[in-house]
Amino acid sequence: EVQLVESGGDLVKPGGSLRLACAASGITLSNVWMHWVRQTPGKGLEWVGRIKSMSDGGTTDYAAPVKGRFTISRDDSENTLYLQMNSLKTEDTAVYYCITLTGGCPRWGQGTLVTVSS
Amino acid sequence: DIVMTQSPDSLAVSLGERATINCKSSQSILNSSNNKNSLAWYQQKAGQPPKLLIYWASTRESGVPDRFSGSESGTDFTLTISSLQAEDVAVYYCQQHYTIPLTFGGGTKVEIK
Repeated sequence: EVQLVESGGDLVKPGGSLRLACAASGITLSNVWMHWVRQTPGKGLEWVGRIKSMSDGGTTDYAAPVKGRFTISRDDSENTLYLQMNSLKTEDTAVYYCITLTGGCPRWGQGTLVTVSS
Repeated sequence: DIVMTQSPDSLAVSLGERATINCKSSQSILNSSNNKNSLAWYQQKAGQPPKLLIYWASTRESGVPDRFSGSESGTDFTLTISSLQAEDVAVYYCQQHYTIPLTFGGGTKVEIK
């Protein structure tokens, strides 16, 4: 059974940085494409970015609002996905989820809350 | 970007009655490798992550009651709750995973009439 557990959410000031983690079990992250999605009351569910599997090059893509500020990476030895968030803005306040779409069947973590506020 | 237009925004249905939620994609989301639409339906209750109900537009997730069903016609998709139960009060979302950015419908809030 695939399990994804996010961590690292916190209260951070505008301009600050935070790194979220997504620990996986039941799946080898290097073999799958992984996404980060966030949810806010105002904007609903929003795709943040994706990292491809190692066999597909491991490249990343990002949504326009976070491009240049957020970085997705993976630690294959720890089977953990990361989201490094820099230059945080108040509008980045959201619950962040990691998800995989292996075989077309989405699997989500439980989410971690990031609050950007002074 | 593929726009997912979900309707209605909210609906109130009597217990035991049928609830129907619609979702329309702005372009085809048919996966050519398996001839299936790359669409999922979720249920979300307050303070919880979205729970997968349906994937590939009409495949019910294991453990999901059979009163939940998904159907499709071209770029139009429907989630039906055949007999609404009290525990079905939630917000429901559709999502396409045909291409990035992954996009979601705006949600439908289902309440008891």
